[in-house]
Amino acid sequence: KQEVTQIPAALSVPEGENLVLNCSFTDSAIYNLQWFRQDPGKGLTSLLLIQSSQREQTSGRLNASLDKSSGRSTLYIAASQPGDSATYLCAVTLGGYALNFGKGTSLLVTP
Amino acid sequence: GAGVSQSPSNKVTEKGKDVELRCDPISGHTALYWYRQSLGQGLEFLIYFQGNSAPDKSGLPSDRFSAERTGGSVSTLTIQRTQQEDSAVYLCASSRTSGAGLGADTQYFGPGTRLTVL
Repeated sequence: KQEVTQIPAALSVPEGENLVLNCSFTDSAIYNLQWFRQDPGKGLTSLLLIQSSQREQTSGRLNASLDKSSGRSTLYIAASQPGDSATYLCAVTLGGYALNFGKGTSLLVTP
Repeated sequence: GAGVSQSPSNKVTEKGKDVELRCDPISGHTALYWYRQSLGQGLEFLIYFQGNSAPDKSGLPSDRFSAERTGGSVSTLTIQRTQQEDSAVYLCASSRTSGAGLGADTQYFGPGTRLTVL
């Protein structure tokens, strides 16, 4: 069974800092990897999707990398803002559809 | 355009009762997924529909859970004889397709239904 682990479980940083969230998975035969954010009491918002053949994806201040061989992905957030405070979830698919989620990293960006 | 919608947003029920949760996917999306988010358990996959193909029910935790998708659009998740351990947020997602790559697999989630079984 695919296990997805996210480190750290919680993170608090001052506004303006760059930060890295980590995700690791046990089965490297993934189809794709997705990063989501979840705000309290709300659904998930897709941030970035990386296909297995890709190494990274970028959207604004966010950059996600994928190293399939080592079973790792990182989400880099540049110049963090208080509005970035949320839980960030990493998820991988094996067969191309069902997502296997990590338990998330709870991020707090303080003004 | 409209996103994925779910109803009700909150449902409180008594143990032993049946409940129905509804999901309206994004128009044109052929793939639909149900997930459950429990405290301390994280998000877990329940069931997947793709077009007219038979659904993948491999994530359903027991035979008290069932789901259907009518006309390739709206889906209903039914939980019979609810138990306290069924209390969770039930999330629905849809994607344009699945397995096609090139971003078509991106899953868009609804706001969820918070189910509380007393």
